[in-house]
Amino acid sequence: AQRVTQPEKLLSVFKGAPVELKCNYSYSGSPELFWYVQYSRQRLQLLLRHISRESIKGFTADLNKGETSFHLKKPFAQEEDSAMYYCALSASSGGYQKVTFGTGTKLQVIP
Amino acid sequence: DAGVTQSPTHLIKTRGQQVTLRCSPKSGHDTVSWYQQALGQGPQFIFQYYEEEERQRGNFPDRFSGHQFPNYSSELNVNALLLGDSALYLCASSPSGRGYEQYFGPGTRLTVT
Repeated sequence: AQRVTQPEKLLSVFKGAPVELKCNYSYSGSPELFWYVQYSRQRLQLLLRHISRESIKGFTADLNKGETSFHLKKPFAQEEDSAMYYCALSASSGGYQKVTFGTGTKLQVIP
Repeated sequence: DAGVTQSPTHLIKTRGQQVTLRCSPKSGHDTVSWYQQALGQGPQFIFQYYEEEERQRGNFPDRFSGHQFPNYSSELNVNALLLGDSALYLCASSPSGRGYEQYFGPGTRLTVT
C-alpha cells in the first residue's frame, strides 16, 4: 500500500524567510513523487515532479529514498506563495498509475 | 481549451438518493480519474477510466460507480447516499501514458442532508 504523510497542517513564515514543507511517503516499489498546489479560488495544479528535477517558482524538492522524504523547499518565501500544498505519490499497477495525495499543508506567508 | 470541466458546480441531495456527476477532460486527454476531497483532507482516489473501462480503483464501496464515453468524458454515480458522502468531488484528466500529469477540474460540491 502507498501512503503520503504531511505532518504540518499549517506553516506560517515571514516574507523572505526560507520555506520547507515536509512530505514523507511509504511505498514498496519505486515511486514517482509530486507536489501539487492550490491557490485561493483556483484549481489544484501540478507544481513539480521529482523526475524532472526542475525548479518551479523558486521551489525545489529532492527525493531522499533513504529517509523516504520529498520535502519542498524555497529559500525566500513570497506572499504569492501562500496556498495549499499537497504532496503526491504515483505508483504504477498493471501499466496504469494511481496517485495518492497527502492531507496537505497550508502555507501562510506573512508580509 | 477550457480545460477540465465539471457539472454541476454544487448540489444538495438527501440520504438514500442517487447522484450523477459529470466531467469533460482537457482536449487531447483520454484518461479520467475521480477523487473525493472531504473538508480538510487531501483528494482520495476513487477510480480511473481509460478506453471506457475502469482501470484502477481506490478503497470505495460499490455504491460508487462510473462510466467513460467514447469522447472520453466521464460520469461518477453514487447510489444510496450517506451523510459521509458530502465532499468535493474532483475530476482529473491526463494524456495517455502520463497518468502523473493530472489536470484538475474545479470540482462538484456535494452536500447530503
